[in-house]
Amino acid sequence: EAGVAQSPRYKIIEKRQSVAFWCNPISGHATLYWYQQILGQGPKLLIQFQNNGVVDDSQLPKDRFSAERLKGVDSTLKIQPAKLEDSAVYLCASSVTGTSGGAGDEQFFGPGTRLTVL
Amino acid sequence: AQSVAQPEDQVNVAEGNPLTVKCTYSVSGNPYLFWYVQYPNRGLQFLLKYITGDNLVKGSYGFEAEFNKSQTSFHLKKPSALVSDSALYFCAVRDTHGYNKLIFGAGTRLAVHP
Repeated sequence: EAGVAQSPRYKIIEKRQSVAFWCNPISGHATLYWYQQILGQGPKLLIQFQNNGVVDDSQLPKDRFSAERLKGVDSTLKIQPAKLEDSAVYLCASSVTGTSGGAGDEQFFGPGTRLTVL
Repeated sequence: AQSVAQPEDQVNVAEGNPLTVKCTYSVSGNPYLFWYVQYPNRGLQFLLKYITGDNLVKGSYGFEAEFNKSQTSFHLKKPSALVSDSALYFCAVRDTHGYNKLIFGAGTRLAVHP
């Protein structure tokens, strides 16, 4: 079974520029997550999709971050404009069931995209 | 608020010795607890989880974890450490009040010395 795919693996941009990350979850997984992992910290959820609908974006800085999940499969996360404090690893994860019945499901993570904002 | 604490930034252990990585949690209701490992430049890999049942949970790569409800702890253990176990370990709890997102601890770096 193929894992969660993410691209690019690394990105360096200047502040105020825009950037986009792509994620392809495991086939058939209903729920997709985007996490931000700042150096020295644990991952923090930015946004959670069930199929193609958003179920939790309470910690997403909506003035600069946006995300979509087209047709309930692939997802993109965009930052516009980027700030220095956005430097982090952005992790995509997926789990098999929906949020109502999947409390015990483990999440499968992609390799992440390391963003450096100069 | 639900939270996870990993009190040690780093744990050092000699190869062949037993290891313990500590985790305590704070939740309302029944906890759903997870351990993940992160190797350099890679995503998180699932090790094991506690949902219900036996307090001793066995997982991947010889790891196990002990759930202790009275101490609100979920410590990760391995009887004999390997150098290849050196990595960053994260404890997480499921936020069952929201939409089942994971709340992670800050991580503990495990260094196993030959």
